[in-house]
Amino acid sequence: KAGVTQTPRYLIKTRGQQVTLSCSPISGHRSVSWYQQTPGQGLQFLFEYFSETQRNKGNFPGRFSGRQFSNSRSEMNVSTLELGDSALYLCASSPPIAGGTDTQYFGPGTRLTVL
Amino acid sequence: AQSVTQLGSHVSVSEGALVLLRCNYSSSVPPYLFWYVQYPNQGLQLLLKYTTGATLVKGINGFEAEFKKSETSFHLTKPSAHMSDAAEYFCAVIYSGGYQKVTFGTGTKLQVIP
Repeated sequence: KAGVTQTPRYLIKTRGQQVTLSCSPISGHRSVSWYQQTPGQGLQFLFEYFSETQRNKGNFPGRFSGRQFSNSRSEMNVSTLELGDSALYLCASSPPIAGGTDTQYFGPGTRLTVL
Repeated sequence: AQSVTQLGSHVSVSEGALVLLRCNYSSSVPPYLFWYVQYPNQGLQLLLKYTTGATLVKGINGFEAEFKKSETSFHLTKPSAHMSDAAEYFCAVIYSGGYQKVTFGTGTKLQVIP
C-alpha cells in the first residue's frame, strides 16, 4: 500500500497570506490527524477528522482549520499567516477499528516557511 | 493536564553500547503508548506500540520497550547501538477516550559515536 502523502512538500509564504496543505491517507484509513512541529514547541496536535467530522481539536487559534472529504483526503488551511506559523506540518492516518484508537502512520510533512 | 515526559533531550552512546531512552507518562489509567523515530527532514516512523497484553514490546530495528505500570514508564532500549540509529526519538501516548489525539514527548536526539 502507498503511504501517507502530503503536498506540497515545501512552501514559502509571506505574512498575511493564507495557505492550504493537502494530505492523502493510506487507502482504507478513515482517520486523519494533523500536527505542527517546531523546534520550540515540539509536536503539537492540531485536529483529527474521522468520516468527514472533526473529532478532536488541539489548542490552536481559529486561523487553523481543516476538513476531510468523502474519500478521506484532508486539507488544512491557515489564514492570515504569522511568522510563528513556520513549521513542519505532519499528517497522520489511522485505520478504523473498534474503540477508535490505533497506530498512526505519518506522512513526510510539509515544510512551511513564512517570511 | 495529562502529559508524557522524556528525560534527556540529547543522549550520546558509543557504537555497540546499550541505548536507553526514558519515557514516563502521567495517568492512573494506562494509556496506549508508542515510540516513533524521526530522521532529518522526514516524518515519523513507528518503532513499536503498547496497547494491552505483554508488557515487553518488541519493535523494528532491534528496539524494544517495557511497560511498567507501577513506575508509569515506557523506556526504549536497544542492546547494541548502530550508527544508523542516530535520529530523534519521540515517546507518545493516547489517553483513554482520546481517539487519535496523540500527546508527544519533547523528543530525545540520539547521537551514536563511532
